[in-house]
Amino acid sequence: DAMVIQNPRYQVTQFGKPVTLSCSQTLNHNVMYWYQQKSSQAPKLLFHYYDKDFNNEADTPDNFQSRRPNTSFCFLDIRSPGLGDAAMYLCATSREGSSPLHFGNGTRLTVT
Amino acid sequence: GQQLNQSPQSMFIQEGEDVSMNCTSSSIFNTWLWYKQDPGEGPVLLIALYKAGELTSNGRLTAQFGITRKDSFLNISASIPSDVGIYFCAGPSGGSNYKLTFGKGTLLTVNP
Repeated sequence: DAMVIQNPRYQVTQFGKPVTLSCSQTLNHNVMYWYQQKSSQAPKLLFHYYDKDFNNEADTPDNFQSRRPNTSFCFLDIRSPGLGDAAMYLCATSREGSSPLHFGNGTRLTVT
Repeated sequence: GQQLNQSPQSMFIQEGEDVSMNCTSSSIFNTWLWYKQDPGEGPVLLIALYKAGELTSNGRLTAQFGITRKDSFLNISASIPSDVGIYFCAGPSGGSNYKLTFGKGTLLTVNP
């Protein structure tokens, strides 16, 4: 029944060691998003894909990259994680022109 | 960019009490969304509002789209312990229907 699936739920990486988080969806939505959420804060949009078009937020660090090989999958790559990148990372999807986002359960990233 | 002011930041109530929280914006919104986030989980859509003045219910939850299009409120009636969580309002940002701006959230604690 799960519609937006994020793996893994918990990820531990070392300072500076590249890490990839994954997201898949069964909704066939054409827009996919990555949000970063730190403790007690609102989700903050990093970037989104509108179909194959990548849209970066102006304040997203270069350290964060994304790939979307097909409609169903989207990846978040953190090239050199810093301690400040420890957070919950949320993937979401939406249908074109329709704003309610459907979120996955997130990946909690710890940087040691 | 557009900002959403959500209040209160936190609420401590007794089981059975009614709860009200609200969100205001400096600019007009075409859509208001209310999400709930449980600890360690992704946000889940509770109610979506698309028309000024619209009043929509979902079980014990009721939300209204303000007539000025710059505010919305969420009411929870007869609260129960599982209502505990963070409630976020959200609306489309930057002239786009598919990018959301979130309020800072209202942390609800329900004492049994």
